[in-house]
Amino acid sequence: KNEVEQSPQNLTAQEGEFITINCSYSVGISALHWLQQHPGGGIVSLFMLSSGKKKHGRLIATINIQEKHSSLHITASHPRDSAVYICAVANFGNEKLTFGTGTRLTIIP
Amino acid sequence: EAQVTQNPRYLITVTGKKLTVTCSQNMNHEYMSWYRQDPGLGLRQIYYSMNVEVTDKGDVPEGYKVSRKEKRNFPLILESPSPNQTSLYFCASSPIGAGREKLFFGSGTQLSVL
Repeated sequence: KNEVEQSPQNLTAQEGEFITINCSYSVGISALHWLQQHPGGGIVSLFMLSSGKKKHGRLIATINIQEKHSSLHITASHPRDSAVYICAVANFGNEKLTFGTGTRLTIIP
Repeated sequence: EAQVTQNPRYLITVTGKKLTVTCSQNMNHEYMSWYRQDPGLGLRQIYYSMNVEVTDKGDVPEGYKVSRKEKRNFPLILESPSPNQTSLYFCASSPIGAGREKLFFGSGTQLSVL
């Protein structure tokens, strides 16, 4: 079973700061997902990665398959980025997903 | 509008009373799945389906049933709910699978079993 660890668990930053959230996993995967969950509960998929790097607006996600590690970066953070960020890995050979416990991000104006 | 629709949004029931949470998607996705979210434990996969009549267990399938008779629908059935199934439930879909495409989530069902 894949073990997925996220760090930090909680992160508070000032508006405009550069944010990094990390995700490590223990067993090789076919893909890694970054999800965003706002207060109120809805979940939105931000990225799906199997290699390299993806960018969407102020969000950048990278993955290093050899090191079994991914990072989610937010540039010029804004209070509306306040949410829980969750990484999830899809195992090789099946479509099972294993989730990290999430990083709670709070951006202070 | 492309979406995953879950119903009901909130449900309070009593131990042992069978219930069904519905999930429907209008994007012709092959992959559908169910998750529960609990404080301190995060999201955990209950069941998933790669196509009609094909279902597989996730990490926490005990006490749940699913069926995939049509491509668009993937209901979650609790035949004899117990208080430890009190949780926030999410349904999700993907064009061809969680290992190859992004996921689209429903808005969640908050279930309380008394």
